[in-house]
Amino acid sequence: DQQVKQNSPSLSVQEGRISILNCDYTNSMFDYFLWYKKYPAEGPTFLISISSIKDKNEDGRFTVFLNKSAKHLSLHIVPSQPGDSAVYFCAARVGGATNKLIFGTGTLLAVQP
Amino acid sequence: NAGVMQNPRHLVRRRGQEARLRCSPMKGHSHVYWYRQLPEEGLKFMVYLQKENIIDESGMPKERFSAEFPKEGPSILRIQQVVRGDSAAYFCASSLDVGQAGYTFGSGTRLTVV
Repeated sequence: DQQVKQNSPSLSVQEGRISILNCDYTNSMFDYFLWYKKYPAEGPTFLISISSIKDKNEDGRFTVFLNKSAKHLSLHIVPSQPGDSAVYFCAARVGGATNKLIFGTGTLLAVQP
Repeated sequence: NAGVMQNPRHLVRRRGQEARLRCSPMKGHSHVYWYRQLPEEGLKFMVYLQKENIIDESGMPKERFSAEFPKEGPSILRIQQVVRGDSAAYFCASSLDVGQAGYTFGSGTRLTVV
């Protein structure tokens, strides 16, 4: 049962343009949503998060949008840079006493110079 | 301030041997999480520990896998009698408290079972 889905395995974008990565979820009890970036042979790096009571959070070039009615979130990167090329994972936190994250399968972003 | 340290980075074991993966959390962090990433998949939660306590082990396989986080020393993920299907990247993460949503991951241990 895949509770967090990233339906696009890969995305290619030109440098300077906007990258939009998408994520869908099924569980309404998630209290936080997060995006992680991962380079090969490294651990995931936390990028940005959003509380389930918000609809937007912005940090520099990164903005996350949450649409609770559609159970959908997206990460916008603008402008995209070649160094942004990596796998991006969407994750959702299960609330309560556990701090467990449910991850999507990732989207490989390639930013072309 | 060192990040989350995992060792070894790479571990090769023959089928039936034991694998021990170590994780030292960030300084001051007392919450540790273990995740596993199989090839072509996302990360899957295994276990959440605080010092000397297992808080949530709902993602741990029922047999052969165990985890501990003693009062002194690193957290250990132990896999007994490894099989080929255990080959994966194992990531450890830590957080200051349970409310911190974006925790910090280590670089992982890549286990290969031959």
